[in-house]
Amino acid sequence: EVQLVESGGGLVKPGGSLRLSCAASGFTFYYASINWVRQAPGKGLEWVGHIRNKFDGGATDYAAAVKGRFTISRDDSKNTAYLQINSLKTEDTAVYYCTTLLDYGGILIPYWGQGTLVTVSS
Amino acid sequence: EIVMTQSPATLSVSPGESATLSCRASQSVSSNLAWYQQKPGQAPRLLIYGASTRATGIPDRFSGSGSGTEFTLTISSLQSEDFAVYYCLQYNNWPPFTFGPGTKVDI
Repeated sequence: EVQLVESGGGLVKPGGSLRLSCAASGFTFYYASINWVRQAPGKGLEWVGHIRNKFDGGATDYAAAVKGRFTISRDDSKNTAYLQINSLKTEDTAVYYCTTLLDYGGILIPYWGQGTLVTVSS
Repeated sequence: EIVMTQSPATLSVSPGESATLSCRASQSVSSNLAWYQQKPGQAPRLLIYGASTRATGIPDRFSGSGSGTEFTLTISSLQSEDFAVYYCLQYNNWPPFTFGPGTKVDI
């Protein structure tokens, strides 16, 4: 069974930092790209960024709103991806989800975790 | 970036009736389109992937159709637990994944 479990959220002051983790199981992690998506309270879903697998050089891409402040990394030996969030702003308050797109013989299926809440407030 | 739109923004339906939700892409996404259901305080739940394949455990009253730029989610005989917000997601051209703004189905 595919599982993605996020952790590391919490209450942080503006300007602070946080590292979120996404622990994966049930699939071959080192082949997969991992995306992060967030949802601010009462708002829709927003793609934050992603990291490709090592065969694609582990390349990363970010949404314009977070570029330069967010960094995605991965540790394939631990089947875990990370989202480092720096210089936090109140507008970064959201539930953060990690997602992956798995290929089953040409059929792509998007899987999600349950999310972790980040609250930025003084 | 592919822009996803959904209509209507809100759909008022009585239990037992059917609901038809639409999702449109600004350019073709082939069949790489998913539908999610989200209830307050919960993570999005995958209903449909590949535009028309129900995810594991999803009741057959949920059905998806379409390809290219026009997609539909139909919920037949709405149950009380179906009142929620529904999002579409395209994963054909990424990054980025792009989402529709959602359709709220209420009583």
